[in-house]
Amino acid sequence: GAVVSQHPSRVICKSGTSVKIECRSLDFQATTMFWYRQFPKQSLMLMATSNEGSKATYEQGVEKDKFLINHASLTLSTLTVTSAHPEDSSFYICSATNIGGGSGNTIYFGEGSWLTVV
Amino acid sequence: AQKVTQAQTEISVVEKEDVTLDCVYETRDTTYYLFWYKQPPSGELVFLIRRNSFDEQNEISGRYSWNFQKSTSSFNFTITASQVVDSAVYFCALSEAGDNYGQNFVFGPGTRLSVLP
Repeated sequence: GAVVSQHPSRVICKSGTSVKIECRSLDFQATTMFWYRQFPKQSLMLMATSNEGSKATYEQGVEKDKFLINHASLTLSTLTVTSAHPEDSSFYICSATNIGGGSGNTIYFGEGSWLTVV
Repeated sequence: AQKVTQAQTEISVVEKEDVTLDCVYETRDTTYYLFWYKQPPSGELVFLIRRNSFDEQNEISGRYSWNFQKSTSSFNFTITASQVVDSAVYFCALSEAGDNYGQNFVFGPGTRLSVLP
């Protein structure tokens, strides 16, 4: 079964509203979680790295005020898309690595979340 | 900086044909990991294989096989006797070892495989 769970799997929201996506590690403690975005027919691009108890590290070109990431516990990271616009419509997927993560640790991906902004 | 290239954007084959998906990578690290993932239309990433840079042995798993050649920085994936259910986008990815394992997880652009009945 899944070891990293994302919710919701699909969400439609109105332009200007905010939407939250959750990423949970089910069987392990995840010190680090990663958020990726995938536009249609494109590859996955890392948006940010989320470390438990500290601020997320954003990749260049990703607006930290628009994509709020919270990693308040070792099993949960959330991505909030604020003031969503149609161009934010995308597939968002998280991944997590277990505590003590270093070379060789396994990375697990969530099932992904389809966001459509209308 | 690390980079992954999948030169084949789309491939179409007829069922039962063999097909090879190419992956070429760039990295300055001597310790790194290579992956293949399958992404069906539903979107989830299905893990296929992880190979570390010190293990150049080829691997076979059922109809799947992988050819890792450090000399050419390639990690190619072959599906033997392809089936319609193999239709998906396949991503090759690279992760460099280090304290932030996974932060340098770079995906290739993907190859869309269509297996026709």
